[in-house]
Amino acid sequence: QVQLQESGPGLVKPSGTLSLTCVVSGDSISSSNWWSWVRQPPGKGLEWIGEIYHSGSTNYGPSLKTRVTISVDKSKNQFSLELTSVTAADTAVYYCARDSEGAAHFDFWGQGTLVTVSS
Amino acid sequence: QSALTQPASVSGSPGQSITISCTGTSSDIGGYHYVSWYQQHPGKVPKLLIYDVNNRPSGVSHRFSGSRSGNTASLTISGLQADDEADYYCSSSTDDNTQVFGTGTKVTVL
Repeated sequence: QVQLQESGPGLVKPSGTLSLTCVVSGDSISSSNWWSWVRQPPGKGLEWIGEIYHSGSTNYGPSLKTRVTISVDKSKNQFSLELTSVTAADTAVYYCARDSEGAAHFDFWGQGTLVTVSS
Repeated sequence: QSALTQPASVSGSPGQSITISCTGTSSDIGGYHYVSWYQQHPGKVPKLLIYDVNNRPSGVSHRFSGSRSGNTASLTISGLQADDEADYYCSSSTDDNTQVFGTGTKVTVL
């Protein structure tokens, strides 16, 4: 069974950098799937942040594109998210998810991690 | 890329059928077969219900079905049950190699 597990600080200061890692088990990060980050502010809807393929190819959502970097570490079977210059508006539950075969549907999700931006 | 448009809420009685719409443009829903739907109970992780417009993953009830007409996709829940009370989101690929979610619909079982 495929499992994804997010990890990282739960509290980030304004203007700082949010960094999260997603460890994948039950599937190889080098498979034919893409690997995505999705976030959900408290009480609000889902927002797609971006995705990465094991080759390092990335796609980012337009609203966060200038502040986001997604990277992959094949040796550790994990991928990571960095979001710079954060504000309170970036407070959200952050999910990592598998995009099955790159066909734009997320069939496996991490349990999500709440990141709060506050001083 | 703006979020796809969904009704904020839809309600129905147990046993009834309800349909949730998801409206986009020819740059997303209307242009690609990659439309998916997710169910999210409060405090839980989203669950994939439908992919590629009208396909169900293994284990998802046949009461959930998807369709598309032009730039609008739809999710129909038949035989509404109490456990169907949740938030529902659509998603689509777009023509700039990104993905976009819908605004979300809260389903209430009366």
